[in-house]
Amino acid sequence: AQTVTQSQPEMSVQEAETVTLSCTYDTSESDYYLFWYKQPPSRQMILVIRQEAYKQQNATENRFSVNFQKAAKSFSLKISDSQLGDAAMYFCAYRSGGSQGNLIFGKGTKLSVKP
Amino acid sequence: KAGVTQTPRYLIKTRGQQVTLSCSPISGHRSVSWYQQTPGQGLQFLFEYFSETQRNKGNFPGRFSGRQFSNSRSEMNVSTLELGDSALYLCASSSQGGGSTGNTIYFGEGSWLTVV
Repeated sequence: AQTVTQSQPEMSVQEAETVTLSCTYDTSESDYYLFWYKQPPSRQMILVIRQEAYKQQNATENRFSVNFQKAAKSFSLKISDSQLGDAAMYFCAYRSGGSQGNLIFGKGTKLSVKP
Repeated sequence: KAGVTQTPRYLIKTRGQQVTLSCSPISGHRSVSWYQQTPGQGLQFLFEYFSETQRNKGNFPGRFSGRQFSNSRSEMNVSTLELGDSALYLCASSSQGGGSTGNTIYFGEGSWLTVV
């Protein structure tokens, strides 16, 4: 069975600085997708970024980028120029390929942004 | 395009009662899945429906059930409520069209259930 591990329960960053959230996963599959979701206090789960396992190039979305190390089964999220609105729970998630299969989530990392 | 819509947003039920939660997926999305989020267990998958058929099911007791209608709207039902069923229930949808877009799951705002 696949598992997702986020080893940092809480992180803190100064506004305008950069922070990296860690995520590792375990799978024997070759076709899968990885996601980072943000959950602010409103509890809405918001997609931040996604990565296809077959793509070597790391995904980027504006200030958000990932470091995808397939062999190491690592998928970290880097947030550049942190803003107060980035404060939230961040969840790393795995989904098997083939358009089926549920998301498997890590426990989450609570990110605080200091002004 | 409207997002995933869940109703009701908040509800309080008594132990032993039953509850029905509703979810309307993003237009064009045929897959609807449900997740339970609690402080202790985190985010756990309940079940997924596609074209009115349950395609995947998580490890939850039979008190948790769901269905999907021909317009892709979905409902989940919890019978004989227990205190431990208090949670945020998240509905999500995806297009199932293949590739990264088809495999991306989008969430609603959730339904907060409190069992007293």
